[in-house]
Amino acid sequence: GAVVSQHPSRVICKSGTSVKIECRSLDFQATTMFWYRQFPKKSLMLMATSNEGSKATYEQGVEKDKFLINHASLTLSTLTVTSAHPEDSSFYICSAQTGMDGQPQHFGDGTRLSIL
Amino acid sequence: AQSVAQPEDQVNVAEGNPLTVKCTYSVSGNPYLFWYVQYPNRGLQFLLKYITGDNLVKGSYGFEAEFNKSQTSFHLKKPSALVSDSALYFCAVRGSYGGYQKVTFGIGTKLQVIP
Repeated sequence: GAVVSQHPSRVICKSGTSVKIECRSLDFQATTMFWYRQFPKKSLMLMATSNEGSKATYEQGVEKDKFLINHASLTLSTLTVTSAHPEDSSFYICSAQTGMDGQPQHFGDGTRLSIL
Repeated sequence: AQSVAQPEDQVNVAEGNPLTVKCTYSVSGNPYLFWYVQYPNRGLQFLLKYITGDNLVKGSYGFEAEFNKSQTSFHLKKPSALVSDSALYFCAVRGSYGGYQKVTFGIGTKLQVIP
């Protein structure tokens, strides 16, 4: 149980392109979903937290207009990297959590984004 | 502010030997503690958690962790390491106060099990 599907797994595109990444909880309802960016030296940086039906809460330093997050249902959240540039190249990971207190986050397999 | 420290960037252990991956934390109130494992080009997989109760928590793949409140530690352990355990391990903490509490992750420890 507690499977999170993230798609696509890899994207290579030209600078200026917008890229959408989907995160789905397959067998549970995710009250909250999280988007992370992982840098080459391993650290996991929380970008934003989204609750179904409400606006995402962005971490300090993360551009809201650059990284658009939509959490339209209890099983789907999307991250759109708008007008992507080479510096946006990274490994993006989503996670999902039920509303029950103390439950762990369940992670997707990540998306490797490469902007040429 | 809450924080997690994983003091070892990398841990090397021989196959069959016991392994320990260290984690210390700082949080207001009682902690919720988690360990995750990440294989290359994959997301994080949940291993185990401490919420309350017994200080020794058993999780997936034979891993366990011991919560030590006085030392604010939550070290990950396994009695006998396998080569397939080689991966990146993350410790995470959040406070247990009511309402939404953000989880803070450590920077990760690379475990290398040598055949």
